[in-house]
Amino acid sequence: EAGVAQSPRYKIIEKRQSVAFWCNPISGHATLYWYQQILGQGPKLLIQFQNNGVVDDSQLPKDRFSAERLKGVDSTLKIQPAKLEDSAVYLCASSARGRAGALGTGELFFGEGSRLTVL
Amino acid sequence: KNQVEQSPQSLIILEGKNCTLQCNYTVSPFSNLRWYKQDTGRGPVSLTIMTFSENTKSNGRYTATLDADTKQSSLHITASQLSDSASYICVVSARNTDKLIFGTGTRLQVFP
Repeated sequence: EAGVAQSPRYKIIEKRQSVAFWCNPISGHATLYWYQQILGQGPKLLIQFQNNGVVDDSQLPKDRFSAERLKGVDSTLKIQPAKLEDSAVYLCASSARGRAGALGTGELFFGEGSRLTVL
Repeated sequence: KNQVEQSPQSLIILEGKNCTLQCNYTVSPFSNLRWYKQDTGRGPVSLTIMTFSENTKSNGRYTATLDADTKQSSLHITASQLSDSASYICVVSARNTDKLIFGTGTRLQVFP
């Protein structure tokens, strides 16, 4: 079974430029998450999709970050314009069940991440 | 406030030695607790998932324990190997929410 695919793995841009990250979850997984992981910290949820609908985007800086999952499969996360503090690894994860935190819901599968450096 | 705290922040051990990582949480009502291993430059990979009724769960040389009364969990690594060098992240979820609360992780380095 193929895992969660992300691209690009690495991206270096200058501040105020834009960048987009792509994620293809495990086939059949209804729930997709984007996390931001700053060096030395745990992942921080940016946005959660259930199929093509947004479940939680409360921590997404909407003035510069946007994400979509138009067909309920793959997803794109965009940053425009980027700031120095956006330097981080952007992790995509997916789960089969609707509520990853719910009792009995199993695995959350992560991709390898996209490492962004903003100069 | 729902929080997950891990200790130590970092740990260095020699190959072959055992070690124990700690996770304390204030998440309520508790649903489940997960331990993830994250190799440098890679995404986290699940080691164990424990629910309220489970006290111990093993995955090879990794053994997780859970004390729901004291809201503490530990991850014990037996006979460490160089490949155990990674960050170990504790994640807790509450029963009435979809949210996963992540700890900041313990960075383990195993030296020969």
